[in-house]
Amino acid sequence: QVQLQESGPGLVKPSQTLSLTCTVSGGSISGTGLYWSWIRQPVGKGLEWIGRIYSGGSTTYNPSLESRVSISLDTSKNQFSLRLTSVTAADTALYYCARDMLETAFDFWGLGTMVTVSS
Amino acid sequence: DIVMTQSPDSLALSLGERATINCKSSQSLIFNANNRNYLTWYQQKAGQPPKLLIYWASARESGVPDRFSGSGSGTDFTLTISSLQAEDVAVYYCQQNHYTPWTFGQGTKVEIK
Repeated sequence: QVQLQESGPGLVKPSQTLSLTCTVSGGSISGTGLYWSWIRQPVGKGLEWIGRIYSGGSTTYNPSLESRVSISLDTSKNQFSLRLTSVTAADTALYYCARDMLETAFDFWGLGTMVTVSS
Repeated sequence: DIVMTQSPDSLALSLGERATINCKSSQSLIFNANNRNYLTWYQQKAGQPPKLLIYWASARESGVPDRFSGSGSGTDFTLTISSLQAEDVAVYYCQQNHYTPWTFGQGTKVEIK
């Protein structure tokens, strides 16, 4: 059973960079055909897909965030990471990592980590 | 971006009643190469991450009770809960995984009357 766990600071100052890591267990992050995504959810609101990374390292981002976001892979640690620069209060949300299967979409999710942007 | 619109925004029904949630996409979600609809349904209970229920518009994920079913094609889709149970109280989201950026509907809250 694949499990994902997000980690990172819960508080980030405006204009700074949000950095989160997702640790995957129960399966290799570098398996063929696997994508790994970040999704966020402002409290009480809906879901927004941030972007994904393929097990081979290529990335696809949501155009609404593309200028500020990067996702990377660390196969040695079975982790993938999110960086979001120049954050504002609008980036305050619960951030989830998920396995992104082309055919079956997001089949495994982390529990989420809350990030608040505030001075 | 493909816009996903769900209706209704909320639903309150008695135990055992049928719940119907609609999802409309701004573009067809049929992939011509295999004729599959890339429309997925999730259930999100309070304080939990979303859980995959249905993919390819109508394929039930392993372990999902058979009272949950999905239907539809092209741009119009439906999630049906045939007999509402107390544990089905949740917000339900549709999501398209045909074109990036992946997009979600705004969610439908299902409650017990």
